[in-house]
Amino acid sequence: QVHLQESGPGLVKPSETLSLTCTVSGGSISSYFWSFIRQPAGKGLEWIGRIHSSGSTNYNPSLMSRASLMSRVTMSIDTSKKQFSLKLTSVTAADTAVYYCAREGPYYYDSSGSDAFDMWGQGTMVTVSS
Amino acid sequence: EIVLTQSPATLSLSPGERATLSCRASQSVTSYLAWYQQKPGQAPRLLIYDASNRATGIPARFSGSGSGTDFTLTISSLEPEDFAVYYCQQRSNWPPLFTFGPGTKVDIK
Repeated sequence: QVHLQESGPGLVKPSETLSLTCTVSGGSISSYFWSFIRQPAGKGLEWIGRIHSSGSTNYNPSLMSRASLMSRVTMSIDTSKKQFSLKLTSVTAADTAVYYCAREGPYYYDSSGSDAFDMWGQGTMVTVSS
Repeated sequence: EIVLTQSPATLSLSPGERATLSCRASQSVTSYLAWYQQKPGQAPRLLIYDASNRATGIPARFSGSGSGTDFTLTISSLEPEDFAVYYCQQRSNWPPLFTFGPGTKVDIK
């Protein structure tokens, strides 16, 4: 049974960088797409981005910095440790949320991945506050 | 970006009743639509993928239908553990972008 576990600081100061890691156990990290998804308290779900075990990434355009016109999101993967990570820069109170890691699945019809998320971590609460 | 709309926002029903939840997309998503159940303090759980396929371990009382822009999740006879929030979710082909609907809360009447 695949298990995902998020870890990282629960409190981040405004303008700093939020960093989270997801550890995969009980199954392979290879050949899958892995995502981070967040949920502000009492609100809906927002997909942040995904990374393939090969290292290729896709990010949600809504998380682009207005100042730099570049994504605030960077994801990386360490297959030897069976971990993937999220960095979100220049955080504000609007980034306060429960952050989930998830696996795309259950089936991959082609190399572009799946259309759903079949495995989820339990989530970790991150608060942005000074 | 494809926007998903769910209705109703809240559905008040009694155990044993049939629940019908709707999800509408702003443009066609073919059959790339999934449904999730979320209970308080828990992560979402995949119920249905590809619009109509039940995920592993999901009871047969849950069924999904639809294609294009209109989709339905049906719970044939509500069990006490089914009272929760339900989200639909779609994936755009390229660039890959996953979006969720705002959710439907099924609560006890």
